[in-house]
Amino acid sequence: EVQLVESGGGLVQPGGSLRLSCAASGFTFSNYWMNWVRQAPGRGLEWVANINQDGSQKYYVDSVKGRFNISRDNAKKSLYLQMNSLSPEDTAVYYCAREGGLWFGELFETWFDPWGQGTLVTVSS
Amino acid sequence: DIQMTQSPSSLSASVGDRVTITCRASQSISSYLNWYQQKPGKAPMLLIYAASRLQSGVPSRISGSGSGTEFTLTISSLQPEDFATYYCQQSYSTPRTFGQGTKVEIK
Repeated sequence: EVQLVESGGGLVQPGGSLRLSCAASGFTFSNYWMNWVRQAPGRGLEWVANINQDGSQKYYVDSVKGRFNISRDNAKKSLYLQMNSLSPEDTAVYYCAREGGLWFGELFETWFDPWGQGTLVTVSS
Repeated sequence: DIQMTQSPSSLSASVGDRVTITCRASQSISSYLNWYQQKPGKAPMLLIYAASRLQSGVPSRISGSGSGTEFTLTISSLQPEDFATYYCQQSYSTPRTFGQGTKVEIK
């Protein structure tokens, strides 16, 4: 069974740091781009960051650039998100998601599937 | 960044109704459009990828269409398990962006 399990969430004070982990199983982790997506309480989905198969390419949403770092360990089949200088606006459930894809003619289409169950990060004093 | 706009933001419908949700992109994204369903307290689940392709295991009453800047998600006959929030997402460029969501509620 393809599965993603996040951990590491919790309560942290503004300005603090937290490291999230996502453990993958049931598929060849090293073959896929991986993503972090977050959802603030009562709000919609916001893509946060992604990383390519060997970790050489990383992209971030503007609001976390310079504060968050995405990384992976293919030997451990794990994805990470190091979050620094946290603010209350970072309070959210954080999901990891595999980015699958296929060629349809000349187009390489991608999508997020599966998603983990999420881990809650609360930034508050 | 590509902005994704869904309409309506919410709707009330009855079991058996036909429901259509629209998603518009701020620029052409070809067919790089996915749809997800999310139920309260749960992770999103992929329904439709590449604008119109049904994910394995998703019932055939759910369909997607469109290309360029306008897309639709249709549920042909709403079932009790379909009451949820639906999101579109573009995979044309980074940052990946989502619509704001459409909540489908019981009338």
